[in-house]
Amino acid sequence: QSALTQPASVSGSPGQSITISCTGTSSDVGGYNYVSWYQHHPGKAPKLMIYDVTQRPSGVSNRFSGSKSGNTASLTISGLQAEDEADYYCSSYTSGSSLVFGGGTKVTVL
Amino acid sequence: EVELVESGGGLAQSGGSLRLSCAASGFTFSDYAMSWVRQIPGKGLEWVSGVSGSGSYTYYADSVKGRLTVSRDNSKNTLYLQVNSLRAEDTAIYYCAKNPYGSGTYPPDYWGQGTLVTVSS
Repeated sequence: QSALTQPASVSGSPGQSITISCTGTSSDVGGYNYVSWYQHHPGKAPKLMIYDVTQRPSGVSNRFSGSKSGNTASLTISGLQAEDEADYYCSSYTSGSSLVFGGGTKVTVL
Repeated sequence: EVELVESGGGLAQSGGSLRLSCAASGFTFSDYAMSWVRQIPGKGLEWVSGVSGSGSYTYYADSVKGRLTVSRDNSKNTLYLQVNSLRAEDTAIYYCAKNPYGSGTYPPDYWGQGTLVTVSS
């Protein structure tokens, strides 16, 4: 199972909006609505930010939103804040009884 | 509050074996599938294994099939990962993660902080 494709880095100024893409195939992202997004600060446990493509867990800021079109899922962070600087990973259920992750995107707040 | 605490990592010899543990609390452990995900230093996340809530079904990434064995003891609320024939490329932080359902390989909803495994030759 190949990793999902994410941009290596995305940056934005405080207050701006950024979008991270996550491209897979019809066997994973495109075939199921089980796409999640995680925020990861090195040395800490990854934190679930979005699940089931668009759902936000309790306690996660509404500045984070998810969407999907075809084989590509996206995470949008609105009103970018310094605390949003982290690595972000997407993940998807697959048809092959496995789980696949994206390569990760480093978000930098300028 | 869900808590997952991994242990068992450390320095190990190439060709040797290691057993990682993950102590779970804050939820009914047997109701949920669990996963192991690793991160090679400087690289992204890689799912390596999963197990259903009952322990009856196990899942492995093709890259580790045959060398890793996942298991769980629901009486002790503990998840395990046995890693045999250790290779340099097994050097990684190993995360334990809780799945949102009782079976299958769905994206996790909670993660531990990880345990570092370093394989030396």
